[in-house]
Amino acid sequence: EAQVTQNPRYLITVTGKKLTVTCSQNMNHEYMSWYRQDPGLGLRQIYYSMNVEVTDKGDVPEGYKVSRKEKRNFPLILESPSPNQTSLYFCASRKNTGASGANVLTFGAGSRLTVL
Amino acid sequence: AQSVTQLDSHVSVSEGTPVLLRCNYSSSYSPSLFWYVQHPNKGLQLLLKYTSAATLVKGINGFEAEFKKSETSFHLTKPSAHMSDAAEYFCVVSDRMEYGNKLVFGAGTILRVKS
Repeated sequence: EAQVTQNPRYLITVTGKKLTVTCSQNMNHEYMSWYRQDPGLGLRQIYYSMNVEVTDKGDVPEGYKVSRKEKRNFPLILESPSPNQTSLYFCASRKNTGASGANVLTFGAGSRLTVL
Repeated sequence: AQSVTQLDSHVSVSEGTPVLLRCNYSSSYSPSLFWYVQHPNKGLQLLLKYTSAATLVKGINGFEAEFKKSETSFHLTKPSAHMSDAAEYFCVVSDRMEYGNKLVFGAGTILRVKS
């Protein structure tokens, strides 16, 4: 089944304790992206990657890191989490060929993170 | 720059009555427009998309949307609401010919369906 898989789905952690949220897709998509969802704000992009070894900041990158060493994986790293990073996180991917703006994003199921 | 405005943060309808979720956008002359649905505790699922063909787009579960360039709108409709339609809906715009990243999400509309 074509899918984007995120782990963990739920996590409670404490301020300053490094954590990684993994994201993996099995559709050979070039483009991957991380979003956070907060009430009333919709989805805001954290980082994105056009292809392997190519990453760039989205709208709200502060406090986050990413890497894209392999095409299928795009982990989100919080080096020193803070309470304002408590949120629902989504990873998504799509093909980046042709008229790529028309390609559909496939989303993971989400990771709910609470930072105490 | 592209932008999306979902005109209602909450919409409440009775089961069996029509649904209208409003979306206005600003974009280049070649926008792609999408509606995604998010049920509670789930990821986002594509309802429908407009790229450049027919302006009336049919999606899953009886939803459809009409692209109106003159009004810069892409409203989502359904003739008869079902309890299972209760969810949050997002309107999304991107540049169809862009080899890149410019996807912009609306703030979302929460649809409540009353029995």
